[in-house]
Amino acid sequence: QQQVKQSPQSLIVQKGGISIINCAYENTAFDYFPWYQQFPGKGPALLIAIRPDVSEKKEGRFTISFNKSAKQFSLHIMDSQPGDSATYFCAARNTGGFKTIFGAGTRLFVKA
Amino acid sequence: DAGVIQSPRHEVTEMGQEVTLRCKPISGHNSLFWYRQTMMRGLELLIYFNNNVPIDDSGMPEDRFSAKMPNASFSTLKIQPSEPRDSAVYFCASSRDRDRQPQHFGDGTRLSIL
Repeated sequence: QQQVKQSPQSLIVQKGGISIINCAYENTAFDYFPWYQQFPGKGPALLIAIRPDVSEKKEGRFTISFNKSAKQFSLHIMDSQPGDSATYFCAARNTGGFKTIFGAGTRLFVKA
Repeated sequence: DAGVIQSPRHEVTEMGQEVTLRCKPISGHNSLFWYRQTMMRGLELLIYFNNNVPIDDSGMPEDRFSAKMPNASFSTLKIQPSEPRDSAVYFCASSRDRDRQPQHFGDGTRLSIL
């Protein structure tokens, strides 16, 4: 069963634009929401993460927005660059545990 | 600072053969995860070790799969006998105990079962 739904599947953005990837979860027993970035031939890399008691977290050009009541969270990439072209995964970890469930991924392409 | 090291990077073998995938976690990390990635099912957790002890193996698909962690610096994932549907990219990830989620992934082993 897919507990974390991610959209869109793919995204094309112009250089300098904003990339937005959305995720929704069903299970309320999650306590940690990380985002991963994966380049071809590489493993996922932890990019940024948020806890549900915070509505927004920003690190450089990457921002997570979190809406606990709607059970939704999103990744915004400001001033998108061709080097940001990769697959992005949202994820959620069960409360007090270790099981991190991944979304299906979004393939981002930033046009130069 | 070496990351998580997996070997081999690619493995092609025939159905029925035994396959062994290897992982060296980052030194000092005491949580280790094995994941499988396919187009159809995405990233799936197979097994989680903490301090070399298997804590949860509910994601291991069948008895044909087994994993061991004999010491803090080495883990193996074995498939015996292998089947074509086992073809996937297998990732190992490690983290410090307090993080409790996969912090650092290796570059994976791309497994093809013919």
